[in-house]
Amino acid sequence: DTGVSQDPRHKITKRGQNVTFRCDPISEHNRLYWYRQTLGQGPEFLTYFQNEAQLEKSRLLSDRFSAERPKGSFSTLEIQRTEQGDSAMYLCASSLAGGAAANEQFFGPGTRLTVL
Amino acid sequence: AQSVTQPDIHITVSEGASLELRCNYSYGATPYLFWYVQSPGQGLQLLLKYFSGDTLVQGIKGFEAEFKRSQSSFNLRKPSVHWSDAAEYFCAVGANDYKLSFGAGTTVTVRA
Repeated sequence: DTGVSQDPRHKITKRGQNVTFRCDPISEHNRLYWYRQTLGQGPEFLTYFQNEAQLEKSRLLSDRFSAERPKGSFSTLEIQRTEQGDSAMYLCASSLAGGAAANEQFFGPGTRLTVL
Repeated sequence: AQSVTQPDIHITVSEGASLELRCNYSYGATPYLFWYVQSPGQGLQLLLKYFSGDTLVQGIKGFEAEFKRSQSSFNLRKPSVHWSDAAEYFCAVGANDYKLSFGAGTTVTVRA
């Protein structure tokens, strides 16, 4: 297994455009998480899935953000009508479910979004 | 809600010298504690974790951390730093079974 992968690694877009990121978790992990990291800060939790069910969303996740995990494997994070404040690193992580194992999260390399 | 404080924004250390990074957390129960390292433009790599038991935990790359309940701390140490240890280090606390809360990070610079 090659770990968590994310695509693309970098995305530059103009304000108002829509963007979509993909995350492929570690294959045996049924939990998948999205975090956002801005410059000089630690990652902040956005949302997470257990299998295909989205179980929690942070208030950081505005109506312009939507995440899916349709078959309980890969996930997509879409941002509609991007704003300059959306510029950040978007990190995906995965874990097993339940107790301590759910907290041991393995992170992908991230997608760096720049909104011009 | 849990929170994490990393008091040092930036630390400079000479190669071969010892390193200690501070982490304080706030949480009502015994948390799960983690240290991650991030190289520029990269994702986070798990260095070590504390769930329960022995309060001194060993991690990868020669790092160790000590959990002190009385001080709500989980400080990271390395006896002898290598130039490749230059990176940003994040302390994180896990609770509620799903969300990690991270500190703002400490940037480590290693001088020759």
